[in-house]
Amino acid sequence: AQKITQTQPGMFVQEKEAVTLDCTYDTSDQSYGLFWYKQPSSGEMIFLIYQGSYDEQNATEGRYSLNFQKARKSANLVISASQLGDSAMYFCAISDYGQNFVFGPGTRLSVLP
Amino acid sequence: GAGVSQSPRYKVTKRGQDVALRCDPISGHVSLYWYRQALGQGPEFLTYFNYEAQQDKSGLPNDRFSAERPEGSISTLTIQRTEQRDSAMYRCASSHTSAGPGQSTDTQYFGPGTRLTVL
Repeated sequence: AQKITQTQPGMFVQEKEAVTLDCTYDTSDQSYGLFWYKQPSSGEMIFLIYQGSYDEQNATEGRYSLNFQKARKSANLVISASQLGDSAMYFCAISDYGQNFVFGPGTRLSVLP
Repeated sequence: GAGVSQSPRYKVTKRGQDVALRCDPISGHVSLYWYRQALGQGPEFLTYFNYEAQQDKSGLPNDRFSAERPEGSISTLTIQRTEQRDSAMYRCASSHTSAGPGQSTDTQYFGPGTRLTVL
């Protein structure tokens, strides 16, 4: 069975600072994908970044990067130069050959001016 | 291009009534997924389709819930004899392929959801 753990229910960060949101996962599969989504107060689910289990490089998408440590089974999201618009819930998810996503409980990020 | 659309966006119904929630995926996307999301929690998997075939319905809570995708495009999630505990946000997502496992083409794009309230 898969499991995603996000140990930070809430995080605060000062505008323009960097922040790391933690995600650890549990899977017995060798091939899997890790995904991060942002959910602002409007309720939409916005795809941010993807990391494949065989990818040797950490994924990056603009201000988002993924700190992937396969041996530790962690896939932390790093947001650089935080903006007020980054305030939202952030969900980590894993998919394997079963293809359905398993989501973590989420981390609520608040960016302070 | 157009994203995933869902209708209705809000549905209020009385206990015992049937409801049908519609999802229109991104054009050309092979896989379609249904999730349920309680307030403050992550989406919970219900079922998914590749083309018109329902691949996994292990997340459906009970036999009052069913889903179909008869032509491999639009999908309908039906809840019969609704109960107050069915109140939640129901989300649909689609992905480009079902190449798996864990490929970037598995990235799921979500619709805006249908907020269901059962009185």
